[in-house]
Amino acid sequence: GQSLEQPSEVTAVEGAIVQINCTYQTSGFYGLSWYQQHDGGAPTFLSYNALDGLEETGRFSSFLSRSDSYGYLLLQELQMKDSASYFCAVRDPGGGYQKVTFGTGTKLQVIP
Amino acid sequence: KAGVTQTPRYLIKTRGQQVTLSCSPISGHRSVSWYQQTPGQGLQFLFEYFSETQRNKGNFPGRFSGRQFSNSRSEMNVSTLELGDSALYLCASSNPGQANTEAFFGQGTRLTVV
Repeated sequence: GQSLEQPSEVTAVEGAIVQINCTYQTSGFYGLSWYQQHDGGAPTFLSYNALDGLEETGRFSSFLSRSDSYGYLLLQELQMKDSASYFCAVRDPGGGYQKVTFGTGTKLQVIP
Repeated sequence: KAGVTQTPRYLIKTRGQQVTLSCSPISGHRSVSWYQQTPGQGLQFLFEYFSETQRNKGNFPGRFSGRQFSNSRSEMNVSTLELGDSALYLCASSNPGQANTEAFFGQGTRLTVV
């Protein structure tokens, strides 16, 4: 089976940098994804890491260490609109299977 | 192109009733997955359909079922509703075959069981 753990809540100041961690235990691994969900909205895809290292997409970066079963999402130059829940996710291995297991979710609150 | 469409957006049902939710995936996407989201349990995988076949199923009782049609549209059904079934039900579509397959979510159906 798969399980992913994240901190439940994080608070950060506008303009600052925040890191959201994710540790996982999986029977197989096809990479770690991150999703953002605003209250009342649908989860939207942010990033994907298949290999170790840092992937950067604008203000957002995601890091993966497969040997440590650990990843994080880094948000820079925080804006109020970044207040949302963030989920890490892994996809079950197997050709074409789309069973995605999500982490427990981290609610980020950005304060002025 | 149009996104994932879920209907209805809101639904109120009574315990013991049954409900059917609908999901229209992005055109060309053949995989549809369903999730239940509750404040206490987060996003829980229900099942995944690909080419009209259920390929994966999460740990939910048999009251939860689904199907997919030849046009990739999917429905999920919950019978004998319980209060604990109150949740946001999300559908996601994707195009399998790529390692970094992104799942596109609909806005969800918020089901309230009273």
